[in-house]
Amino acid sequence: DIVMTQGVLPNPVPSGESASITCRSSKSLVYKDGKTYLNWFLQRPGQSPQLLTYWMSTRASGVSDRFSGSGSGTYFTLKISRVRAEDAGVYYCQQVREYPRTFGGGTKLELK
Amino acid sequence: EVQLVESGGGLVQPGRSLKLSCLASGFTFSNYGMNWIRQAPGKGLEWVASISSSSSYIYYADTVKGRFTISRDNAKNTLYLQMTSLRSEDTALYYCASYYFDYWGQGVMVTVSS
Repeated sequence: DIVMTQGVLPNPVPSGESASITCRSSKSLVYKDGKTYLNWFLQRPGQSPQLLTYWMSTRASGVSDRFSGSGSGTYFTLKISRVRAEDAGVYYCQQVREYPRTFGGGTKLELK
Repeated sequence: EVQLVESGGGLVQPGRSLKLSCLASGFTFSNYGMNWIRQAPGKGLEWVASISSSSSYIYYADTVKGRFTISRDNAKNTLYLQMTSLRSEDTALYYCASYYFDYWGQGVMVTVSS
């Protein structure tokens, strides 16, 4: 199984600053079509997860351009620019390169 | 508007069974694969199972393989998760989600306890 490992944020993050969340996979998530099969989600307190980006860097419909995904085959970063109150919650990376689909353990973002 | 509404959760004793449902609306359900994901209290997300649009391809997490069965009824726009031999570690909020994980339900709680 592909293991997903997420980093820790130095919380709290001052409002208006940027924050970068890291994720590492135990195997390359690049498929033979050249796409990188990595999703990022935000789960706000008491809510269902919300897809932010897919294929590592493509923003989901309606997601602010303050969220940007980047990375290589095994190391990924979600950058949040100009952090706002509604960005608080737990961020998860997930690989959809193969089954079983696996999630990272989550990274909590708190705002100052 | 896409909606996924789970139901069927509750309190169940260890070793017993429970069947969850997820009613889909707002999209052509029969064209898309679906997923079940769970979240134990205070913990992270765990993918549970996936099913293709025609039920031809089905996948399970090792933690539920042999005990849980994912299925669907395209005529009823409904996804199911039959859970048997339930254990305390199956206690979680169970979400159904679209194939691409771009739509999620609100979740349904399953508590396994004597």
